[in-house]
Amino acid sequence: GAVVSQHPSRVICKSGTSVKIECRSLDFQATTMFWYRQFPKQSLMLMATSNEGSKATYEQGVEKDKFLINHASLTLSTLTVTSAHPEDSSFYICSARDGSGSSYEQYFGPGTRLTVT
Amino acid sequence: AQSVTQLGSHVSVSEGALVLLRCNYSSSVPPYLFWYVQYPNQGLQLLLKYTSAATLVKGINGFEAEFKKSETSFHLTKPSAHMSDAAEYFCAVSGSDYKLSFGAGTTVTVRA
Repeated sequence: GAVVSQHPSRVICKSGTSVKIECRSLDFQATTMFWYRQFPKQSLMLMATSNEGSKATYEQGVEKDKFLINHASLTLSTLTVTSAHPEDSSFYICSARDGSGSSYEQYFGPGTRLTVT
Repeated sequence: AQSVTQLGSHVSVSEGALVLLRCNYSSSVPPYLFWYVQYPNQGLQLLLKYTSAATLVKGINGFEAEFKKSETSFHLTKPSAHMSDAAEYFCAVSGSDYKLSFGAGTTVTVRA
């Protein structure tokens, strides 16, 4: 089956620093990747959609200068949280869509727990 | 725009009892519907999906869901709950842009 990995699984950083999270599709080419944020006991909130080789599309209310997304290859997308603050602490999950067909299914990564101190 | 509403934020069942999780959708186009399960501190695992083929969809771990257009529903069921079914369950709908809209989630607890 299609596998999506995320790295790191957990990260703790100090306020004001930047953190990069990687999302990789291991056995398929992902033309589209999605980044979600999930607060405790809440649902997933879509932050942005990234297509390989083009700029990411951000959802309303998401600061694109704070959450930098790069989708440089068909198997890798990165999310960089710049100048992180404690309120950015959350569970970040990526997903990927197999671009070889017309399927609407997304394959999810295991998530990254970010804690900003 | 598409959206889903999950009725009941928390469901508690006895081991061996029926599990029923409710999901209603709103969509201006024929929907693609999904049920996902999430265990603590993990990503989402697909249980099953509806993509306009059979209205009764069978998934993994004994789960199934029935698409009812007249009721705009896609309820998830499992005949006999197991302790390992304790988790968070999300219903989701996809639009033509491939974006997923998730319901608020339902927490399932299983009593021994």
